[in-house]
Amino acid sequence: GQQLNQSPQSMFIQEGEDVSMNCTSSSIFNTWLWYKQEPGEGPVLLIALYKAGELTSNGRLTAQFGITRKDSFLNISASIPSDVGIYFCAGGGGSQGNLIFGKGTKLSVKP
Amino acid sequence: NAGVTQTPKFQVLKTGQSMTLQCAQDMNHNSMYWYRQDPGMGLRLIYYSASEGTTDKGEVPNGYNVSRLNKREFSLRLESAAPSQTSVYFCASSEVGGLGGNTIYFGEGSWLTVV
Repeated sequence: GQQLNQSPQSMFIQEGEDVSMNCTSSSIFNTWLWYKQEPGEGPVLLIALYKAGELTSNGRLTAQFGITRKDSFLNISASIPSDVGIYFCAGGGGSQGNLIFGKGTKLSVKP
Repeated sequence: NAGVTQTPKFQVLKTGQSMTLQCAQDMNHNSMYWYRQDPGMGLRLIYYSASEGTTDKGEVPNGYNVSRLNKREFSLRLESAAPSQTSVYFCASSEVGGLGGNTIYFGEGSWLTVV
């Protein structure tokens, strides 16, 4: 079945640094979504992308839907301690029909 | 603004016991989902309901049953719990029927331990 490769698996950064993470697949998706999950909580939607090439920002977060429709990246600028959590990408509308999740990027921010 | 609400938040079961996880959404969404989340495995779809009156298997349906009680509610039942079902369970919903490309919103999770 379809799979998403999300990288890096984890990141340890200093407060104020920029962060970049990405998801790639061998399959095409029609939608890319990025979620953040904090400890003890459910994933919360950060950004939704519906069109190849689309670049969307949400505050310090920027995400892009790759032109090939097989990848997406999420950037966080000027990280702060509350950015800590696990970030998941999800691809939708692929051949399998359901939403496929990456395994997450665990972000730790050192003050 | 409640969104997706699931209960219970925490539960400990003995092997072989049964239980039902309840989920309700107040966003008038057509589609609802149950996922489980395990370390290193990400989120895996158990069952989904594209619209009221329909249910379908996801990636890991074995050992579970679901009921779409009405448009708002979608329950997950473990008939005979096994230790392998120890996990965090998330209910979710989305506006448009079907799974392809729709933005889904999650509940806060139910932590289930089977001993």
